[in-house]
Amino acid sequence: GQQLNQSPQSMFIQEGEDVSMNCTSSSIFNTWLWYKQEPGEGPVLLIALYKAGELTSNGRLTAQFGITRKDSFLNISASIPSDVGIYFCAGRPDYGGSQGNLIFGKGTKLSVKP
Amino acid sequence: DTEVTQTPKHLVMGMTNKKSLKCEQHMGHRAMYWYKQKAKKPPELMFVYSYEKLSINESVPSRFSPECPNSSLLNLHLHALQPEDSALYLCASSPSMSGLTNYGYTFGSGTRLTVV
Repeated sequence: GQQLNQSPQSMFIQEGEDVSMNCTSSSIFNTWLWYKQEPGEGPVLLIALYKAGELTSNGRLTAQFGITRKDSFLNISASIPSDVGIYFCAGRPDYGGSQGNLIFGKGTKLSVKP
Repeated sequence: DTEVTQTPKHLVMGMTNKKSLKCEQHMGHRAMYWYKQKAKKPPELMFVYSYEKLSINESVPSRFSPECPNSSLLNLHLHALQPEDSALYLCASSPSMSGLTNYGYTFGSGTRLTVV
């Protein structure tokens, strides 16, 4: 079935550093979502993207919907310890006008050293 | 109210038990979802309800039985589960199953299920 390639798988950074992660697919998507999940909790929506080229910010987080509609990235600036968690990208394939179900990347585990 | 509420938060059950997971949302969303998530893995779709009708069953074993009593509630009935069914079960909702939405999927905090 459809898969998303999310990278990196994990990151160990120093507090204050910037972070970048991305997702790519082999086919066109019409929605990209970025979620953060902390232990014992459900994923929390951070940013939603609906148009190719769209660049959206949420505080220190910025995400973009790639022009090719096959990728998206998430940047976190000036990381802090509470940014720790697993970040998932999720996308909805565009099946020529109809929409597929949400597909998740495998996640990026972020660790921040104070 | 912008939350999806799941109960119980934790559940331990034997392989011969029958139990139910509950999910509730009051955002007026018409699509509701059950996901299963194993440790360090992404959520995997199990069922989708659209306008209170089962729309998608991702080849889930019959020991998992979903139910949508009304537009705000979603249940997952469990019977004769196996230890490998132990996982975090997540409920989610969205304004609709198809068409553009400005809110993505809203997830609940999940039920941590352990089958012994």
